[in-house]
Amino acid sequence: DTGVSQDPRHKITKRGQNVTFRCDPISEHNRLYWYRQTLGQGPEFLTYFQNEAQLEKSRLLSDRFSAERPKGSFSTLEIQRTEQGDSAMYLCASSDLRTEQETQYFGPGTRLLVL
Amino acid sequence: AQRVTQPEKLLSVFKGAPVELKCNYSYSGSPELFWYVQYSRQRLQLLLRHISRESIKGFTADLNKGETSFHLKKPFAQEEDSAMYYCALKVLGYSTLTFGKGTMLLVSP
Repeated sequence: DTGVSQDPRHKITKRGQNVTFRCDPISEHNRLYWYRQTLGQGPEFLTYFQNEAQLEKSRLLSDRFSAERPKGSFSTLEIQRTEQGDSAMYLCASSDLRTEQETQYFGPGTRLLVL
Repeated sequence: AQRVTQPEKLLSVFKGAPVELKCNYSYSGSPELFWYVQYSRQRLQLLLRHISRESIKGFTADLNKGETSFHLKKPFAQEEDSAMYYCALKVLGYSTLTFGKGTMLLVSP
C-alpha cells in the first residue's frame, strides 16, 4: 500500500468553473477526512466520512462544496462555481477507527488555483 | 471552540543547539495533542502524540494542562530536522484535528 493518494496533484481553473478532486485512502481505512490549507495557515477541517456516511461538516464548507464517498472507499470533493478564495491546498487523510490510536495519515494534497 | 496557537512562524538555530517549538491551546476540556511534521516535498506526517509519552527522532513534548501548552523540544538539533511543524488538537470523543499555523524550523550547519 502506497498510502493515501490524491488526484490531480495540481489544478488550475477559471473562476466560475466546477472542479472535482479524488482521494483514495489507505486500504481498509474506514474514516476519510478532507482539510483545506491556505498559504501561511495550518490545515482546516472541512468534512469527514465513516465508511460511506458523512458524519460532520465544517461551517467552512459552503453550499458550493459537496463531498461523497459512495462505496466507503474513495471520496470525491466537488467545488461548484469556483471563486478565487477557493485557491488552496486540499488535503485528504484517512484513519482506521478500529486501531487504538486512530492516527490520521495524509495524502500529498491537490493544489487548486482559481484565476 | 478550541484553538491552537503557535507563536513563531520561523525558528532558526544552529546544528547542535537546543530547540523548543511552542504550542499553546485553548479548550476547556481534556484534549489530545499532537505534533505533525512536513519535510520538504513530503506529505504531512505524525511526529508524536502526548498520550504516547515517547521520544521520536529525539523530540519530546509534555502536555502542561496548567499552562495549556504542548511545547516540542529537542536537546541537540540536526540539519535533517529542518521542516514545518504543526501542533494539533483533538477533542476527546471527536475525530477531527484543529491545527495551529505552523512553525518553520531551520537548522543551519
